[in-house]
Amino acid sequence: DTGVSQDPRHKITKRGQNVTFRCDPISEHNRLYWYRQTLGQGPEFLTYFQNEAQLEKSRLLSDRFSAERPKGSFSTLEIQRTEQGDSAMYLCASSLAGGNSPLHFGNGTRLTVT
Amino acid sequence: DQQVKQNSPSLSVQEGRISILNCDYTNSMFDYFLWYKKYPAEGPTFLISISSIKDKNEDGRFTVFLNKSAKHLSLHIVPSQPGDSAVYFCAASAKYQTGANNLFFGTGTRLTVIP
Repeated sequence: DTGVSQDPRHKITKRGQNVTFRCDPISEHNRLYWYRQTLGQGPEFLTYFQNEAQLEKSRLLSDRFSAERPKGSFSTLEIQRTEQGDSAMYLCASSLAGGNSPLHFGNGTRLTVT
Repeated sequence: DQQVKQNSPSLSVQEGRISILNCDYTNSMFDYFLWYKKYPAEGPTFLISISSIKDKNEDGRFTVFLNKSAKHLSLHIVPSQPGDSAVYFCAASAKYQTGANNLFFGTGTRLTVIP
């Protein structure tokens, strides 16, 4: 399968703990996006990378959130000092650069903060 | 502030009939529109798109119509099949100067196709 891969699929953590998610995009895609989806809502943009450069960050991305894409391939999203409001599905997507290339999404990581 | 709206949370259609899913947007800067389909426990899957310079795009059983003056788009599925049962998200794209295609999503419409 050469689609977008996300790990883990599910994460349950206690409030105050740190969590890290990984995304492996489609290999030839140099654009990578993180989105968050809560129940009954559509996905909401968090941040965007072109290669290893983080070029856009949403105001939804508080100081407790940090994303990296160190070699322009896989990406990690870390949430520090998790809160119950962080419970959501975290989706990663990738696309080709240029024009209006559609985003291809992974199956997401579902985070539950207890 | 919801810039993309799907006002019908659910839709039921008989197999073989037409499904019409609607979407409205408020931002006139959107220049590219997409429909995604989502099954439970999976991420959204790209279905079809349309540029703002067109008013119709067709791909097999799926057709998307864009009415820019009304800021409205719709997805037609003909004929509908039970496998089409899923949540459908409308999305609109506005380009950042950095080139990012930031997608703004609606809240989704759950389509049920009854055999």
